[in-house]
Amino acid sequence: GAVVSQHPSRVICKSGTSVKIECRSLDFQATTMFWYRQFPKQSLMLMATSNEGSKATYEQGVEKDKFLINHASLTLSTLTVTSAHPEDSSFYICSAAQGVGNQPQHFGDGTRLSIL
Amino acid sequence: RKEVEQDPGPFNVPEGATVAFNCTYSNSASQSFFWYRQDCRKEPKLLMSVYSSGNEDGRFTAQLNRASQYISLLIRDSKLSDSATYLCVVNEANAGKSTFGDGTTLTVKP
Repeated sequence: GAVVSQHPSRVICKSGTSVKIECRSLDFQATTMFWYRQFPKQSLMLMATSNEGSKATYEQGVEKDKFLINHASLTLSTLTVTSAHPEDSSFYICSAAQGVGNQPQHFGDGTRLSIL
Repeated sequence: RKEVEQDPGPFNVPEGATVAFNCTYSNSASQSFFWYRQDCRKEPKLLMSVYSSGNEDGRFTAQLNRASQYISLLIRDSKLSDSATYLCVVNEANAGKSTFGDGTTLTVKP
């Protein structure tokens, strides 16, 4: 089945640091990847849709200058949390689907980000 | 009204019980449907797709009712390892976008 790899799985850093998270589709090409955030005991929240070769589409309320997304190839999307603060601490998960419409999304393992 | 709605639960059932979850969706043009499970502090994992004719995978049965715009998941002979949050997911036609329900929490007790 489709495999999505996410790295790193855990990050602990000081306030003000920028953190980059990578999401790779290992055995398929993904023109579109998705970035989610999930706070403890809450639902997944879609942050943005990452499109290969073009700008990401951000959901309402998500700051594009805060969460920089780059989708440079068909197998790699990166999310950079710039100047992270404690309130950015969360579980960040990427996903990708083979094709569009009727294919399920496959998720990376997630990145647990803790800002001190 | 949310696009995809689920009963949040929690559902607390004994081992061996049969439990059913329902999910309703508002977009009649939705194309495909899935159930995922998410364990605590882990990513969601695809459990099964849901087809119009209904489909079964071992102890799990999924049903789709397009007329009423709901899908269901039935778990028979519940195991302790079935304890998780079950997410209903609906894909829009050709939009490449999935809409997730908030999840239903299941706890299976000895």
